Amino acid sequence: EAGVTQSPTHLIKTRGQQATLRCSPISGHTSVYWYQQALGLGLQFLLWYDEGEERNRGNFPPRFSGRQFPNYSSELNVNALELEDSALYLCASSLRAVDYGYTFGSGTRLTVV
Amino acid sequence: QKEVEQNSGPLSVPEGAIASLNCTYSDRGSQSFFWYRQYSGKSPELIMFIYSNGDKEDGRFTAQLNKASQYVSLLIRDSQPSDSATYLCAVSSGGSYIPTFGRGTSLIVHP
Repeated sequence: EAGVTQSPTHLIKTRGQQATLRCSPISGHTSVYWYQQALGLGLQFLLWYDEGEERNRGNFPPRFSGRQFPNYSSELNVNALELEDSALYLCASSLRAVDYGYTFGSGTRLTVV
Repeated sequence: QKEVEQNSGPLSVPEGAIASLNCTYSDRGSQSFFWYRQYSGKSPELIMFIYSNGDKEDGRFTAQLNKASQYVSLLIRDSQPSDSATYLCAVSSGGSYIPTFGRGTSLIVHP
């Protein structure tokens, strides 16, 4: 069974640009979660999508947005990139309404220069 | 503001010893508790989850939950150098499915 896959592995962008990160959940999982892990900080919750809808949002500005596609894959968009957006972005998936914990993807390392 | 606190460490233990990792949380309504292991440069991996007071054992790992005192711990028996990693505690309230993560405790198991 394929795990959660994320692309790209690494992404280098210039301040002010836009970044798009992609995630494919485990087959059968309908919920996708996005987290940011900045250096020295814990995992910060960004967004939760389920059945194509945004279900919850963390304490991040609106320039962090995303969507979930009919096949349950998801993308995270970060507009007007700032240097402090440099972090590891993790995607996780789970069965909807099941609180058994996450399976994380390998992450996208975003560097803003 | 829901908070999950962990000692950042590093916690250093000799090979074969028991490593004890602790986590406290602020939300008394928390119902689900998780331990993740994260190797340097890698993504977190779920080790265990626990919902009820008491102990839950899985191989060399034991999770302990005390809701009255609002703490959850992870014991690693017969620690191996391969257990060296950062251990993240995560806590969620029933129905939210969005856990709050602690910053993690770095564990070093030396031969």
